[in-house]
Amino acid sequence: DIVMTQSSDSLAVSLGERATINCKSSQSVLYSSNNKNYLAWYQQKPGQPPKLLIYWASTRESGVPDRFSGSGSGTDFTLTISSLQAEDVAVYYCQQYYGTPYTFGQGTKLEIK
Amino acid sequence: QVQLQESGPGLVKPSETLSLTCTVSGGSISSYYWSWIRQPPGKGLEWIGYIYYNGNTNYNPSLKSRVTISVDTSKNQFSLKLSSVTAADTAVYYCARGKDNQILMDVWGQGTTVTVSS
Repeated sequence: DIVMTQSSDSLAVSLGERATINCKSSQSVLYSSNNKNYLAWYQQKPGQPPKLLIYWASTRESGVPDRFSGSGSGTDFTLTISSLQAEDVAVYYCQQYYGTPYTFGQGTKLEIK
Repeated sequence: QVQLQESGPGLVKPSETLSLTCTVSGGSISSYYWSWIRQPPGKGLEWIGYIYYNGNTNYNPSLKSRVTISVDTSKNQFSLKLSSVTAADTAVYYCARGKDNQILMDVWGQGTTVTVSS
C-alpha cells in the first residue's frame, strides 16, 4: 500500500495569513506515461462529507476559491491557502489515486490562531 | 446536478452483514466509477472499494474477504455489503462518484452512520 503522511496533525494560522499543509507519499504517484501526479486534496468540515479541492496535485476543482493551490510532484506535495479565511477551518486530507488501495493521509486540522 | 444518498440500517449486530445502498439522482450511473469510503468516529478516511457501471469491482485488500459492491443500473443505485461485522466497522459510510471516468471522487453523499452493537 502507498502510505500517505501529512506532516502535521494540526495547524493554527492567523486570519489573512498563509497556511501550508504538507503531504508525503511512500512511493511516487507520478505516472510517467502522462506526467500526471495522482494526488488530490479534500476539505472536510464537521458533520459534512469531504469536498474535493485539488486534483492532479495542482488542478483546482470548479468553484474552489483561488486562494487554494496545490503543488509538488513525485512524493512530496503541498496545499497552500494564500490568505486564511474563517470558513477555511476544517480538516484537510491528501489522497493518492495512483494505485489500489487508494489511501488518504491522516488529516490536518486547520484552526485559527 | 448529481446527488448521492446513502440508505440502510443504522444499527447492525456483531457477526451480521451490513447492507447499504447509494441512490444516484440528477444524473446517470453509467460511465462512472462509484466508491464506498468510511470514517470511524473521530478518525480518518478509508477507501472500501469501487464498482464501475459495467460491474467491474476493486476492493481494499484489508476488507476484500468481507466486501461485496454491486450496481443496479435500472434503479440508478449501487450497494455495499460487509459481512461478519465487528465494533471496528462502526463508522460513517460515504458513497462517492469518480470524476471524469477516474476513481478520483468529486461528488459525495452526506454519509450514513452505522453502529455495530448488540
